[in-house]
Amino acid sequence: EAGVAQSPRYKIIEKRQSVAFWCNPISGHATLYWYQQILGQGPKLLIQFQNNGVVDDSQLPKDRFSAERLKGVDSTLKIQPAKLEDSAVYLCASSLEGLPYEQYFGPGTRLTVT
Amino acid sequence: AQSVAQPEDQVNVAEGNPLTVKCTYSVSGNPYLFWYVQYPNRGLQFLLKYITGDNLVKGSYGFEAEFNKSQTSFHLKKPSALVSDSALYFCAVRDWGPIKAAGNKLTFGGGTRVLVKP
Repeated sequence: EAGVAQSPRYKIIEKRQSVAFWCNPISGHATLYWYQQILGQGPKLLIQFQNNGVVDDSQLPKDRFSAERLKGVDSTLKIQPAKLEDSAVYLCASSLEGLPYEQYFGPGTRLTVT
Repeated sequence: AQSVAQPEDQVNVAEGNPLTVKCTYSVSGNPYLFWYVQYPNRGLQFLLKYITGDNLVKGSYGFEAEFNKSQTSFHLKKPSALVSDSALYFCAVRDWGPIKAAGNKLTFGGGTRVLVKP
């Protein structure tokens, strides 16, 4: 079974530029999550999708971050414009719907904003 | 609001000795509890979870964890540590309730780095 795929693995941009990350979850997983993991901290949920609907985006900085999951499968997270404090690893995870099934994480995208 | 505390930034243990990584939590209702491990430049890997039932949960790679409701703890243990267990370990909690409900997110602790020396 293929795991959660993410691309790119690494990205370096200057502040005020834009960037996009892509995630393809495990086949059959209805729930998809984007997390931000700042160095030395645990992951923080940015947004949670159930199929193609948003369940929780309460911690998403909506003035600069956006995410979509148009067909209920893969997802894109965008930052525009980026700030220095956005430097982090962005993790995508997916899980089955229903009971608190464990989340399966992708390898992450390491973003450096200079 | 739910929260997780991992009081130790780092745990050092000799190979072959028992390993314990501590975790305490706070939720308004009953908890779902998870342990994940993160190796360098990789995503988090699921180790084990407590939902209900037996307080001792067995997981991957010989790890187990004990749920203690009175102490609100969920410590991760391994009887005999290996050098390959050196990694970053995260405890996570979410409250009972519909998984679709906003706010029932998984909250992670700050992580504990485990260093197993040969």
